[in-house]
Amino acid sequence: GESVGLHLPTLSVQEGDNSIINCAYSNSASDYFIWYKQESGKGPQFIIDIRSNMDKRQGQRVTVLLNKTVKHLSLQIAATQPGDSAVYFCAERPRGSTLGRLYFGRGTQLTVWP
Amino acid sequence: NAGVTQTPKFRVLKTGQSMTLLCAQDMNHEYMYWYRQDPGMGLRLIHYSVGEGTTAKGEVPDGYNVSRLKKQNFLLGLESAAPSQTSVYFCASSYDPAGETQYFGPGTRLLVL
Repeated sequence: GESVGLHLPTLSVQEGDNSIINCAYSNSASDYFIWYKQESGKGPQFIIDIRSNMDKRQGQRVTVLLNKTVKHLSLQIAATQPGDSAVYFCAERPRGSTLGRLYFGRGTQLTVWP
Repeated sequence: NAGVTQTPKFRVLKTGQSMTLLCAQDMNHEYMYWYRQDPGMGLRLIHYSVGEGTTAKGEVPDGYNVSRLKKQNFLLGLESAAPSQTSVYFCASSYDPAGETQYFGPGTRLLVL
């Protein structure tokens, strides 16, 4: 069945460093992946997405890498700031899933130290 | 433009009580979703709607009912609350039938005693 998991439940980095958050997925038929950021007490906020026909996509300070060979997704945050402290979720959408059903990972807590 | 709003923010129920969670969006989105979020688990889809008057079951629909009488509102009902329904509930909406770019509300924390 579909499942999305995260290698590390917590990640601590120093302000200014780069952060890498990893995600493993099990469904090789998934064709769309999303990263969400969730701050304490708030709903998930869309960060960046990538389709399975791409290996890399860049946004503002964030890059998502997709390795379909090993079914691995990562989110890179450049020059991490205290405001980046949050839980980060990845989600996948299996190809042909009913009306775009998304399957979410458990999340990684990112803590940025000054 | 408020986006997606949810009421109430927090509620405590006794086992067996009923309640309705309200989700409202002002983006004219066709697609709306209800998720629950439990510690150590990813968001799980309860029910979803593809338009006014239509709803469908998601991954964990038991114990919940939904209604979409107006395009902008999606209601989640608990007929007889159980402690296992203690969770944080999130509503989301999207303009895309493929489920991309879902916009989430701030969540409702529900505690069932």
